[in-house]
Amino acid sequence: GAVVSQHPSWVICKSGTSVKIECRSLDFQATTMFWYRQFPKQSLMLMATSNEGSKATYEQGVEKDKFLINHASLTLSTLTVTSAHPEDSSFYICSAEKSSYEQYFGPGTRLTVT
Amino acid sequence: AQRVTQPEKLLSVFKGAPVELKCNYSYSGSPELFWYVQYSRQRLQLLLRHISRESIKGFTADLNKGETSFHLKKPFAQEEDSAMYYCALTRVDSNYQLIWGAGTKLIIKP
Repeated sequence: GAVVSQHPSWVICKSGTSVKIECRSLDFQATTMFWYRQFPKQSLMLMATSNEGSKATYEQGVEKDKFLINHASLTLSTLTVTSAHPEDSSFYICSAEKSSYEQYFGPGTRLTVT
Repeated sequence: AQRVTQPEKLLSVFKGAPVELKCNYSYSGSPELFWYVQYSRQRLQLLLRHISRESIKGFTADLNKGETSFHLKKPFAQEEDSAMYYCALTRVDSNYQLIWGAGTKLIIKP
C-alpha cells in the first residue's frame, strides 16, 4: 500500500504563534505533495502544490508568507502557519503523489487557534 | 472554467436500496475523474478512478462525456457505505492537481 502520515494530528496554539505541520510519505517517494484545507461542512480547498527541491506553487488567494511550505526531501513536506489567527483554525490535509493520477492522503491535522 | 458539481449535499437511502451519487463536471480537455470517500474519523481515500474502470466495494462509475457526468452507483447499499463522498477531476495541464466537488454525505438507514 501507500501510506501518508501527518503530524501532529491536532494542535491548539495561541494567536500570534507559528505552527508546523509535517506530511510524510512512508513507503514511497513523492516528488509532488499537495496541501489542502477543509472548512467545516465544505469541500477540500487546494492551498498549494509542493515540489521537492523547488518553491511551492500557491493557489490564488493563499498567502505564501503566511503558509510556508518546505518540501525538503522526497518523503517530507512541511506547512508552517505563521502568526496564526483564529480564522486559520481549520482541518489541514496533505496528499502525496505516487504517480500520475495516484494521490494518497494523510489523515489530516486539526488546528485550533485560540 | 473547470468545475465539479455534486448537486446533493445529503443523500439518505435504506439498506439494500440502490444508490446513485451524482457528479457533473466542466472541463475543456480530456478529463480524468475520481471518486474519493471519507468514512467517519478516517482519512480521505481513493474509491475509484474512471481510467481503471474497476469496481471497488461494489461501487461503479461510468464516464459519460455527452452528459459530462461521472455518477457513482451501487445496486444494493450497505450500512458501512455511510460516508462522505467526493467527486474530483484532475488538471492534467497543471501538475495533476485535483478539482473537488462539494461532497455528498451518504447515510444508509437500517
